[in-house]
Amino acid sequence: KQEVTQIPAALSVPEGENLVLNCSFTDSAIYNLQWFRQDPGKGLTSLLLIQSSQREQTSGRLNASLDKSSGRSTLYIAASQPGDSATYLCAVFIRNAGNMLTFGGGTRLMVKP
Amino acid sequence: DVKVTQSSRYLVKRTGEKVFLECVQDMDHENMFWYRQDPGLGLRLIYFSYDVKMKEKGDIPEGYSVSREKKERFSLILESASTNQTSMYLCASGPVNTIYFGEGSWLTVV
Repeated sequence: KQEVTQIPAALSVPEGENLVLNCSFTDSAIYNLQWFRQDPGKGLTSLLLIQSSQREQTSGRLNASLDKSSGRSTLYIAASQPGDSATYLCAVFIRNAGNMLTFGGGTRLMVKP
Repeated sequence: DVKVTQSSRYLVKRTGEKVFLECVQDMDHENMFWYRQDPGLGLRLIYFSYDVKMKEKGDIPEGYSVSREKKERFSLILESASTNQTSMYLCASGPVNTIYFGEGSWLTVV
């Protein structure tokens, strides 16, 4: 069964720092990997989607990389801002009868002014 | 923009009540999902559907049922609500390889 782990579980950084969030998965036979942001009490917003054939995706200050063979993805946030404070979740899509996502537990990020 | 709408944001129900959580999507997506999210347990899949009248159990289907009579609507039903079903419920929909979430429904069972 696919397992997805995110480290660290929580992170607090001063504004302006560059930071890296980590995601690892046990089964490399994934269809794609997605990074989400969740604000307190809200639903999930998709940030970046990386197909299994891709190595990275970029959106603004966000860059996500994927190394399928090692079962790892990283989300890099450049020049962090207080508005980046949220929980970040990664999820892998495996191709089976259900086309289901398996989520990591998330990293709770606090960016201090 | 994709829109996944959950009809109720906050509900308080009594133990034993029948509860309906409704979800509607406007993008003609084949797949629809119901998750619950609890502190320390993350997101757990309850049920999903990849076509009208089709449903599949997720990881934690016990105590829940679902209904998908129309493509755009996926309902989660708690036949007899219990206090351990107090949680945030998230509906999602998507095509084959991605997913879009609603804003979530906070359910408290007292």
